Amino acid sequence: GQSLEQPSEVTAVEGAIVQINCTYQTSGFYGLSWYQQHDGGAPTFLSYNALDGLEETGRFSSFLSRSDSYGYLLLQELQMKDSASYFCAVRDAGGNYGQNFVFGPGTRLSVLP
Amino acid sequence: DAGVTQSPTHLIKTRGQHVTLRCSPISGHKSVSWYQQVLGQGPQFIFQYYEKEERGRGNFPDRFSARQFPNYSSELNVNALLLGDSALYLCASSPTGSENIQYFGAGTRLSVL
Repeated sequence: GQSLEQPSEVTAVEGAIVQINCTYQTSGFYGLSWYQQHDGGAPTFLSYNALDGLEETGRFSSFLSRSDSYGYLLLQELQMKDSASYFCAVRDAGGNYGQNFVFGPGTRLSVLP
Repeated sequence: DAGVTQSPTHLIKTRGQHVTLRCSPISGHKSVSWYQQVLGQGPQFIFQYYEKEERGRGNFPDRFSARQFPNYSSELNVNALLLGDSALYLCASSPTGSENIQYFGAGTRLSVL
């Protein structure tokens, strides 16, 4: 089956750097994505890695190692508004019809002043 | 440009009833996915539709069904509601060729009493 693992909670202070890890087990693999969700809000897309390596988008970077079935989201220069839940997600070839989206359980990030 | 829109925003039903949730994707997006999110957990994939065809199905009972219309809008139907169906139901659309990047609507909060 498919499964993703993330730490449940991470706490950091403003201005710091935090890394949120994600390991996955899937049948087939079409890339690892990251989403941010504030309380009461909808998930919003942050980053996507199809190939190994680092993708940088402003203060956020995402890394993927397909051989290790592992990725991480790196948040730099943390701001209070970054306090939210962060989800990794994969699209794989599993499921009854060949495509399936799987989200991780989420990591709740708390940024302290 | 309008984002993904969902209706209704909130819904209260009783056990055994059925419900229809609606979603309009971002203009030009032909792929629509449905998710169920229980508080404190990651979104759980229900269905994906592309060009009116079901392309992916998650591990949900047959009480859950969906369809996509020629204008790419979509409906999610749930029959014989159970208390455990209480959740936030999210719809997401993706541009063709970038199905890993999903744009979510604000969701429909369903409460089953």
